[in-house]
Amino acid sequence: DSGVTQTPKHLITATGQRVTLRCSPRSGDLSVYWYQQSLDQGLQFLIQYYNGEERAKGNILERFSAQQFPDLHSELNLSSLELGDSALYFCASSDESSGEQFFGPGTRLTVL
Amino acid sequence: AQSVSQHNHHVILSEAASLELGCNYSYGGTVNLFWYVQYPGQHLQLLLKYFSGDPLVKGIKGFEAEFIKSKFSFNLRKPSVQWSDTAEYFCAVNSGGYQKVTFGTGTKLQVIP
Repeated sequence: DSGVTQTPKHLITATGQRVTLRCSPRSGDLSVYWYQQSLDQGLQFLIQYYNGEERAKGNILERFSAQQFPDLHSELNLSSLELGDSALYFCASSDESSGEQFFGPGTRLTVL
Repeated sequence: AQSVSQHNHHVILSEAASLELGCNYSYGGTVNLFWYVQYPGQHLQLLLKYFSGDPLVKGIKGFEAEFIKSKFSFNLRKPSVQWSDTAEYFCAVNSGGYQKVTFGTGTKLQVIP
């Protein structure tokens, strides 16, 4: 158990819909990262937050957005969903002194 | 910008064979290096890491990796693989004060009993 929690574990929705994925980092970690993992694209870095502020952006679509709240939990919002958005979405938090990342169990999103 | 290359996308080995997975990175400064493993249906877990000191790093489950600065490489090795090592392996590099981590594309290892 990494100490990072993600909800929900599974999400099934339809094209055009909007969903919110939630992540709570390990106690004491200020950074949260979001990744998308699919069979064809592999592991893709989406976005990083540090103590409430966006710190780095990766291959995140404009239809996707994220935020980190004062209690350090983070939410990833995916809107106007397409079939190709079906993937595993991982959240990770990091030890600031080393950059070592601790991954949550992931949310499996299926868009029908 | 930093980048990470894993040249082997899919490796198939028999049990007891030796393993070496390649990882090369591009960044001229100081780096922290990681290998993560993702077992089927699970999330990524840290196998081993290098920050400084002895360039030969030992991790869990008999894995080790060697940092060769002149070659910008951090190859993962295991002398004798087991069926339970079947997983996907990711190399990652972290540099700079913002702790941005870049992952390689991953190598799928299949160990045949």
